[in-house]
Amino acid sequence: SQTIHQWPATLVQPVGSPLSLECTVEGTSNPNLYWYRQAAGRGLQLLFYSVGIGQISSEVPQNLSASRPQDRQFILSSKKLLLSDSGFYLCAWRPTGTGGYTFGSGTRLTVV
Amino acid sequence: RKEVEQDPGPFNVPEGATVAFNCTYSNSASQSFFWYRQDCRKEPKLLMSVYSSGNEDGRFTAQLNRASQYISLLIRDSKLSDSATYLCVVHTGNQFYFGTGTSLTVIP
Repeated sequence: SQTIHQWPATLVQPVGSPLSLECTVEGTSNPNLYWYRQAAGRGLQLLFYSVGIGQISSEVPQNLSASRPQDRQFILSSKKLLLSDSGFYLCAWRPTGTGGYTFGSGTRLTVV
Repeated sequence: RKEVEQDPGPFNVPEGATVAFNCTYSNSASQSFFWYRQDCRKEPKLLMSVYSSGNEDGRFTAQLNRASQYISLLIRDSKLSDSATYLCVVHTGNQFYFGTGTSLTVIP
């Protein structure tokens, strides 16, 4: 069966520190992968999506970046966090061409 | 104009009540539609897809009206465990657009 893993579950980081969040998918190949952010009391904002290794599309200008070094691995990074980067970060995947998303359990990031 | 719009609520209903949520979308070319449920501080989970002919899953009924560009979710015989935020999701091109969610609290 297909599963998606995301870690860590919670993170408290100081302003200006780097960030690395990892997401991996098991039991499938060539999935479309996505990073979303949900700020407190707000909707889901698409940050990045990837249709294949090394292929990253960015939806909004920000100090975040994403990479897909392997077919089932998607990484969200920042060199220097801002207070406004706080939020609930969700990785998601979907089989190519069909169906809805399946989300990972999310990382709750607080930048202090 | 937002791609997807939902009434944020909150909806507070007694157990056993029937409650309906609506969602409108702006792009007539949108090709597929979903309802997700999100519990507090958890990830959204797929509740059901929405098909053109309407579809039912137990107490939940989803309907799509392409002419008016809205989708709906009807929950019958509400349970305490139905309390959550319900997100409308519209698939357009290669993008998924999420509504901001409608909050439901079922009261004993």
